[in-house]
Amino acid sequence: QSALTQPASVSGSPGQSITISCTGTSSDVGGYNYVSWYQQHPGKAPKLMIYDVSNRPSGVSNRFSGSKSGNTASLTISGLQAEDEADYYCSSYTSSSTLDFGTGTKVTVL
Amino acid sequence: EVQLVQSGAEVKKPGESLKISCKGSGYSFTSYWIGWVRQMPGKGLEWMGIIYPGDSDTRYSPSFQGQVTISADKSISTAYLQWSSLKASDTAMYYCARDAMGDYFDYWGQGTLVTVSS
Repeated sequence: QSALTQPASVSGSPGQSITISCTGTSSDVGGYNYVSWYQQHPGKAPKLMIYDVSNRPSGVSNRFSGSKSGNTASLTISGLQAEDEADYYCSSYTSSSTLDFGTGTKVTVL
Repeated sequence: EVQLVQSGAEVKKPGESLKISCKGSGYSFTSYWIGWVRQMPGKGLEWMGIIYPGDSDTRYSPSFQGQVTISADKSISTAYLQWSSLKASDTAMYYCARDAMGDYFDYWGQGTLVTVSS
């Protein structure tokens, strides 16, 4: 079990778009369309933002979108808002029938 | 409304045992996997394992196999995470979460903070 690789931090100004990458291998991200993304504010439980690469749960803003190319998945936040400042984690199903989380990315709104 | 309510914070000494709980409501508890996720202080999320309350089928991360036990009592819609001998390195926030389709968690508990200190 290895953590998926994410940038430690990403920042942007209000209204801008940012993209967070999540790099794995052919045994996880590249092998399945089962990548999800979670938002976690300080002191709070994680919240599901994207599932199965690009699907948004009901109630999640359409400013959040997901994609995947090869072994790398991405989360894009468009029209960045102050409330988007949080930690973001990707997750992928693996060939061992387990889930791996990413290393986490701190998003800062400048 | 789907809810997962976890038991309260615990302070334990090294070598003690502990069992924390996660009670589900608002959905068919026996029809969804329940997972446990560890978050050590200031660190990221780690998938520990999952259980299917319908038949108690359980899967563990290799990192946690043998270190913890995941169980469930479907009669009271509650899942458990237990340790037989705690270590200081078990100090962390532990979340339970509903596994929607085997590949993502759609509902999360509020977390249980476990502190292990002599």
